[in-house]
Amino acid sequence: NAGVTQTPKFQVLKTGQSMTLQCAQDMNHNSMYWYRQDPGMGLRLIYYSASEGTTDKGEVPNGYNVSRLNKREFSLRLESAAPSQTSVYFCASSTGLAGFNEQFFGPGTRLTVL
Amino acid sequence: QQQVKQSPQSLIVQKGGISIINCAYENTAFDYFPWYQQFPGKGPALLIAIRPDVSEKKEGRFTISFNKSAKQFSLHIMDSQPGDSATYFCAARGGSSNTGKLIFGQGTTLQVKP
Repeated sequence: NAGVTQTPKFQVLKTGQSMTLQCAQDMNHNSMYWYRQDPGMGLRLIYYSASEGTTDKGEVPNGYNVSRLNKREFSLRLESAAPSQTSVYFCASSTGLAGFNEQFFGPGTRLTVL
Repeated sequence: QQQVKQSPQSLIVQKGGISIINCAYENTAFDYFPWYQQFPGKGPALLIAIRPDVSEKKEGRFTISFNKSAKQFSLHIMDSQPGDSATYFCAARGGSSNTGKLIFGQGTTLQVKP
């Protein structure tokens, strides 16, 4: 099992460009999450999907959109990238929101916006 | 709005020493407190977790101490090893009003010197 996979691993964008970060999990998990990690800020939740067909905003959703394509895949889109979106992005998944379920993280995407 | 405060930001410990990382929270509805460990270039991974109905949980060299009245919890790493060098995040899970979502602390970078 690959667990949680993310593509790409690295990306450099110019201000105003758009891109989609891809995430897939093979653990048959119901819930999926997108976080950003910035120095001194910890991990902040951007969007999450409690189950297939649902998405909801997290702590820092502005400038992002998501799509829960199916149970396995959850993508994050930046429509018009800004330098403030330079960060490391992590996708995670868990069995579900109810209960004390471990979140499994992918290896991350390092994004730089110039 | 940071609801989980973590300290220190960085920590240097000699091999064999005790590493202590502290977290404080405000929301008494939090009902699950995990610690995640992250090695450079990798995603975070669950290390150990505790629920507020117990005051301590130990797994090998790692112990969580929980003080419900003070709204504080800490991670103790006994006999610290160079392989423990990583970034550690505390987190808290929202209760019924925030089901399943984790709020992370700012992170602590631990360096264990040989």
